[in-house]
Amino acid sequence: DVQMTQSPSSLSASVGDRVTISCRASQNINYYLNWYRQRPGAAPELLIYGASTLHSGVPSRFSGSGSGADFALTISSLQPEDFGTYYCQQTYSDITFGGGTKVEVK
Amino acid sequence: QVRLVQSGAEVKKPGASVKVSCKASGYIFSAHFMYWVRQAPGQGLEWMGWINPDNNGSNYAQKFKGRVTLTMDTSSNTAFMELSRLTSGDTAVYYCARQSVVDMATFLLDFWGLGTLVTVSS
Repeated sequence: DVQMTQSPSSLSASVGDRVTISCRASQNINYYLNWYRQRPGAAPELLIYGASTLHSGVPSRFSGSGSGADFALTISSLQPEDFGTYYCQQTYSDITFGGGTKVEVK
Repeated sequence: QVRLVQSGAEVKKPGASVKVSCKASGYIFSAHFMYWVRQAPGQGLEWMGWINPDNNGSNYAQKFKGRVTLTMDTSSNTAFMELSRLTSGDTAVYYCARQSVVDMATFLLDFWGLGTLVTVSS
């Protein structure tokens, strides 16, 4: 099984901050990596697929990078609706999710 | 527009089974795999399995093999997830999610149901 490790597990930030979340796979997964945001009490929402492609309707403040085993999600200017938990997901072999990164108000 | 409407919350006793439904609308049901993902209270996302509405094929995460069954009713565009031999550890929100495919291994879960809370308690 491909294991996914996210860091940090939580972070505190303010509106307008630049935020970066990391995700590491236990093996090379090429670019088969997606990112989701889950707001409190809501279902996950797709943000980025294929490591760096913005899903339709997702604001351009979100960006993804990386390939192989190391990936990152960056929010260029955090907005109030961005507080929540972020998950990476690999689709190289079945699917597995990272443990999540909770973005909290500073 | 694409919608996935899930059945309501359930309370079950240990050892029982639960069956959750997910009614799809707004797209061609047979054209997209349906995934099931669960989330225990305060925990992360856990993939359970998928079903292919086009040919009834399915695949289950190793952890759930033998305990989970995914089915569908193409006449009503509804997918079902049945989990048996419930324990308190199965208390979670269960989500259905539609898969879309970009290329051979680039696929994504682009629409999600709101989730169904299953509580297992004696």
